Amino acid sequence: EIVLTQSPATLSVTPGERVTLSCRASQSVSTYLAWYQQKPGQAPRLLIYDASNRATGIPARFSGSGSGTDFTLTISSLEPEDFAVYYCQQRINWPPMYTFGQGTKLEIK
Amino acid sequence: QVQLVQSGPEVKKPGASVKVSCKSSDYTFTTYGISWVRQAPGQGLEWMGWISTYTGNTNYAQKFQGRVTMTTDRSTSTAYMELRSLRSGDTAVYYCARDREYRNNRYYYYGMDVWGQGTTVTVSS
Repeated sequence: EIVLTQSPATLSVTPGERVTLSCRASQSVSTYLAWYQQKPGQAPRLLIYDASNRATGIPARFSGSGSGTDFTLTISSLEPEDFAVYYCQQRINWPPMYTFGQGTKLEIK
Repeated sequence: QVQLVQSGPEVKKPGASVKVSCKSSDYTFTTYGISWVRQAPGQGLEWMGWISTYTGNTNYAQKFQGRVTMTTDRSTSTAYMELRSLRSGDTAVYYCARDREYRNNRYYYYGMDVWGQGTTVTVSS
């Protein structure tokens, strides 16, 4: 089973900062990696799929990169509404199968 | 708008079963598969399985094999997830999510782009 390790577990930042979140896979997942944002009491929200494709309606300040085992989610300039938990997710192409990372919490400094 | 609406909270005793529903609206139900994902209190996300709303084919996470059944009812555009032999560790919020578009006899992945609001299942004696 592929294990995804996200770092750091918690990141304290101020609005306006540029932030980079990391997700490392225990073996290559090609570019089959997605990122989700989750706020307290809400369902997850898709941000990025297949490593670098922004989902519909996602602001341009969110970008994803990477391939193989190392991936990053970058938020170019943090807005107040971006404080949340971020999860990476890898997929097996077929049959559909997924695992999630343990999450990175972005908190206000 | 495109949405998935889930059934209400459930409280079950250990050993019982629970069946959660997920009704789609404003898109053609059979053009997207459905994944089920759960989240225990204060914990991360855990994928449980996927169902093709077009063929009914399923793929379950190994952890839930033998204990979960995912089905659909095309006539009502509703997906269901039944979990049996419940234990306290199954206490969680259960989500359905739209997953993989079906076109030209193939599935295309664009992420889990629409999620239900979540159903809280509490297992307690």
